Amino acid sequence: KNQVEQSPQSLIILEGKNCTLQCNYTVSPFSNLRWYKQDTGRGPVSLTIMTFSENTKSNGRYTATLDADTKQSSLHITASQLSDSASYICVVSAREGTALIFGKGTTLSVSS
Amino acid sequence: GAGVSQSPSNKVTEKGKDVELRCDPISGHTALYWYRQSLGQGLEFLIYFQGNSAPDKSGLPSDRFSAERTGGSVSTLTIQRTQQEDSAVYLCASSPRVAGAGGTQYFGPGTRLLVL
Repeated sequence: KNQVEQSPQSLIILEGKNCTLQCNYTVSPFSNLRWYKQDTGRGPVSLTIMTFSENTKSNGRYTATLDADTKQSSLHITASQLSDSASYICVVSAREGTALIFGKGTTLSVSS
Repeated sequence: GAGVSQSPSNKVTEKGKDVELRCDPISGHTALYWYRQSLGQGLEFLIYFQGNSAPDKSGLPSDRFSAERTGGSVSTLTIQRTQQEDSAVYLCASSPRVAGAGGTQYFGPGTRLLVL
């Protein structure tokens, strides 16, 4: 069964600290993996998209890694800001033309 | 506007009533998706439109749910005989090409449906 599991479920960190969110998937065949940020009451916004051949991709203070062999991805947030408080969702696509498979997300709270 | 828009933003209805949710994708985007997000749950795929191809309806939870996309642009998600478990945020997304090939999905703000 195609699944995407994220951990931790929630996380609280102090402003300025770094954090890493994890995503494990069992989707096969694999096409690409995306990380989205979803602010409360808003639709998700794409942060990164990685294909099978990509190991890392950055978007400002966000850096995503992908290990297609172990089927794991991580999202690292550097020097967190209060505005980083949101839900971060890992999404995997099995192959072209199919629906995306979403994880349940990690809720990040950044406090001052 | 430049983004995906959805209406209404909020909808409260009585159990057993029908509701229609509307999505206006970004102009020129060929792919359109509907998702449902229940409280504390991840996004659940409902239906996918790609150009003039037959839609992928594999995610629709029951035959009370249906969707149309007219003229390759605006889409309407209809829920008939609503039930309380239908209460959720319904999100629409569009993509300039087939999303599985790496195309970014752009999400609308969602419609918050509450069935009393």
